Amino acid sequence: SQKIEQNSEALNIQEGKTATLTCNYTNYSPAYLQWYRQDPGRGPVFLLLIRENEKEKRKERLKVTFDTTLKQSLFHITASQPADSATYLCAPAGAGSYQLTFGKGTKLSVIP
Amino acid sequence: DSGVTQTPKHLITATGQRVTLRCSPRSGDLSVYWYQQSLDQGLQFLIQYYNGEERAKGNILERFSAQQFPDLHSELNLSSLELGDSALYFCASSVGLLGGGLHEQFFGPGTRLTVL
Repeated sequence: SQKIEQNSEALNIQEGKTATLTCNYTNYSPAYLQWYRQDPGRGPVFLLLIRENEKEKRKERLKVTFDTTLKQSLFHITASQPADSATYLCAPAGAGSYQLTFGKGTKLSVIP
Repeated sequence: DSGVTQTPKHLITATGQRVTLRCSPRSGDLSVYWYQQSLDQGLQFLIQYYNGEERAKGNILERFSAQQFPDLHSELNLSSLELGDSALYFCASSVGLLGGGLHEQFFGPGTRLTVL
């Protein structure tokens, strides 16, 4: 069955450093991969979508890579700030997929 | 503010009862999705409606049902409630059918259900 693993449940990083979060998937080949941010008690917020033919996508301080050979996506936040502290969820999806299947998320804490 | 509204914000009820959660999607979005989030299970997809029709089903229990009305708002009905149904329930919407990939989803603020 399809499996999505996000590298760790929690990641602590010093303010100003680059945070790197990992999303690994097995037993399927997604055509898309979405990343969301979720704050405690609130709904997830869409950040980025990357397609299988895009190796990298950037949005301000965010960068996402998608390696279909390694079956992995990396999510980077450069110059991290305490306001970036949240849980980040990845959701790979096949072409023609109606629904999202989320990983359990990585809780990022940026320490001042 | 995502533009998706959910009511009520909080709901406390007893085992065996039935509740209805309501969702209004963003203006112009035709797809509505329902998710359940509990501490141990993460965010789990329940069901999707597109323009009034059911299009995808996840791990939704038989005690749960949903519908989307002509004005595109949706309701999730939970019956014979058990303690384990206590969770955050989110509604999301997207402009198109392919909210699993091509289209981003916009999530509402959620309804926190507590079953005592």
